[in-house]
Amino acid sequence: EAGVTQSPTHLIKTRGQQATLRCSPISGHTSVYWYQQALGLGLQFLLWYDEGEERNRGNFPPRFSGRQFPNYSSELNVNALELEDSALYLCASTRGDHLGTEAFFGQGTRLTVV
Amino acid sequence: GQQVMQIPQYQHVQEGEDFTTYCNSSTTLSNIQWYKQRPGGHPVFLIQLVKSGEVKKQKRLTFQFGEAKKNSSLHITATQTTDVGTYFCAGRTGSARQLTFGSGTQLTVLP
Repeated sequence: EAGVTQSPTHLIKTRGQQATLRCSPISGHTSVYWYQQALGLGLQFLLWYDEGEERNRGNFPPRFSGRQFPNYSSELNVNALELEDSALYLCASTRGDHLGTEAFFGQGTRLTVV
Repeated sequence: GQQVMQIPQYQHVQEGEDFTTYCNSSTTLSNIQWYKQRPGGHPVFLIQLVKSGEVKKQKRLTFQFGEAKKNSSLHITATQTTDVGTYFCAGRTGSARQLTFGSGTQLTVLP
């Protein structure tokens, strides 16, 4: 069974540009979470999608947005990139229920803004 | 909304010393999970606790879930350099579907 896949692995953008990050969850998983992890820091919650809907978002500006497609894959868009957006962006997927299933993480997209 | 706080943020220990990280929730949790992220890697699931007062062990790691199901701890006995990484807790409340992660504790083990 394939794990959570994220693309691209690395992304270099200049300030002011837009970045699009993609995530394919494990087959059968309907929930997708996005996290930002700056170097040496913890996970900062960005967005949670479940069953195609945005269910919750973290304390990030509106230029961070995304969507979940009918096949449950997800896209994170970051507009008007700033230098401090440089970070590892992790996607995680879970089964879409409350039974306590574990989250599976992708390898992440390393975004560098120059 | 639900908040999961984790302390300490950083911990340096000498190899062989013990290590503990604590997780506290603002609301009662239905279950709690622990993850480990090795340097350069992504978080990987370690264990899940469900019952009030539950204690589970994995070799040198001991996981506890508080009686009130609002806090949890991970204790590592006699740390080794392979224990280096960031440890995260994550919890769900009641019938809530969202899994909320703590900010993590970064463990450094000095040889």
